[in-house]
Amino acid sequence: SQELEQSPQSLIVQEGKNLTINCTSSKTLYGLYWYKQKYGEGLIFLMMLQKGGEEKSHEKITAKLDEKKQQSSLHITASQPSHAGIYLCGADPITGGSQGNLIFGKGTKLSVKP
Amino acid sequence: KAGVTQTPRYLIKTRGQQVTLSCSPISGHRSVSWYQQTPGQGLQFLFEYFSETQRNKGNFPGRFSGRQFSNSRSEMNVSTLELGDSALYLCASSLVGDYNEQFFGPGTRLTVL
Repeated sequence: SQELEQSPQSLIVQEGKNLTINCTSSKTLYGLYWYKQKYGEGLIFLMMLQKGGEEKSHEKITAKLDEKKQQSSLHITASQPSHAGIYLCGADPITGGSQGNLIFGKGTKLSVKP
Repeated sequence: KAGVTQTPRYLIKTRGQQVTLSCSPISGHRSVSWYQQTPGQGLQFLFEYFSETQRNKGNFPGRFSGRQFSNSRSEMNVSTLELGDSALYLCASSLVGDYNEQFFGPGTRLTVL
């Protein structure tokens, strides 16, 4: 079965600093999703990547999927306290599109110190 | 458009009891998925319903069951509760089609004493 490993598990950065979170898959990725979660709440969709080499940006967050489609990175530029939370990567475990059953990494807890 | 809603938000039960959680998807979404989130295991897929049929199922015991109604609302039931069932239960809805973004509800926090 496919597994997603996220690193680091937790991260504390000073406000204004850049940071990167990685998500590595044991198998080829066919749809990689990034979500953000505030503690004890639901997940907020950030971005979805499908194609090898694809890169998407939204505000100060950029996500990339490598050419081999086994690793994705999430980069935050000039971090702010509002970026704090748990970042989760999720993937479709099968080819051919989502069937509603994403697998997730364990998450990366981000704290931003003002 | 209203988001995914889940009721109740918090629930406390004792071992051996059963519980039913409810999820109302975004209007027009026909797929509803359920996930269990715990500190140890993270976010794990329970099952997914589409057009009132269970389309996919995760690796959970038969005590966990669900159903979907004709209006796409979904319920999940856990019978004979165990302490280890304490978790945040999240439901997510999505449109039909490939690579559809899943919209998550706020979750139901279940505590089993």
